[in-house]
Amino acid sequence: AQRVTQPEKLLSVFKGAPVELKCNYSYSGSPELFWYVQYSRQRLQLLLRHISRESIKGFTADLNKGETSFHLKKPFAQEEDSAMYYCAPGVVMDSNYQLIWGAGTKLIIKP
Amino acid sequence: EPEVTQTPSHQVTQMGQEVILRCVPISNHLYFYWYRQILGQKVEFLVSFYNNEISEKSEIFDDQFSVERPDGSNFTLKIRSTKLEDSAMYFCASSRNVGPQETQYFGPGTRLLVL
Repeated sequence: AQRVTQPEKLLSVFKGAPVELKCNYSYSGSPELFWYVQYSRQRLQLLLRHISRESIKGFTADLNKGETSFHLKKPFAQEEDSAMYYCAPGVVMDSNYQLIWGAGTKLIIKP
Repeated sequence: EPEVTQTPSHQVTQMGQEVILRCVPISNHLYFYWYRQILGQKVEFLVSFYNNEISEKSEIFDDQFSVERPDGSNFTLKIRSTKLEDSAMYFCASSRNVGPQETQYFGPGTRLLVL
């Protein structure tokens, strides 16, 4: 079964420290991978997608097909990064494309 | 910048009652989605909708659920006879197209509480 695992429910780091939010997926094909973020009292929004190879708000994510991981990283965390982060592979199931969601990691940046 | 909107923001209902959650997707988007998130749990896909019909639905989306696009702008989720376990945050999303190049834009959610 397609599954995505975010092992940390909560991650708390100090401002300026590096951050890594882990995401592992199990999928027989080649998923496209997304990170979504939800800031306090705001809606879910796309942070970045693997296919774009982009860096958004200092965050990057590298797809490691060997480890089936798509960890989200930022070298120096800022207080405004505090939010819920969801890893969401996009997969094709029964000829339909859909996002499979991880449980989310709550990131708290301490001042 | 256009946004997906949802009404109401909160809905409290008695078990067994029908509820309709409303969404207005972004106007030039063609694909629409409903997700739910039970408190403390992960976001779960319910249904996707394209060209006035359901294109995909999950196991959660049983006969108690239905979706409709009654006019050119609204996209609704109806729960016919609510159960306690339907209490959750319901998110609507839309995308212009489907696939890895496309971003799904989410509404702010409707928090449904079934008593």
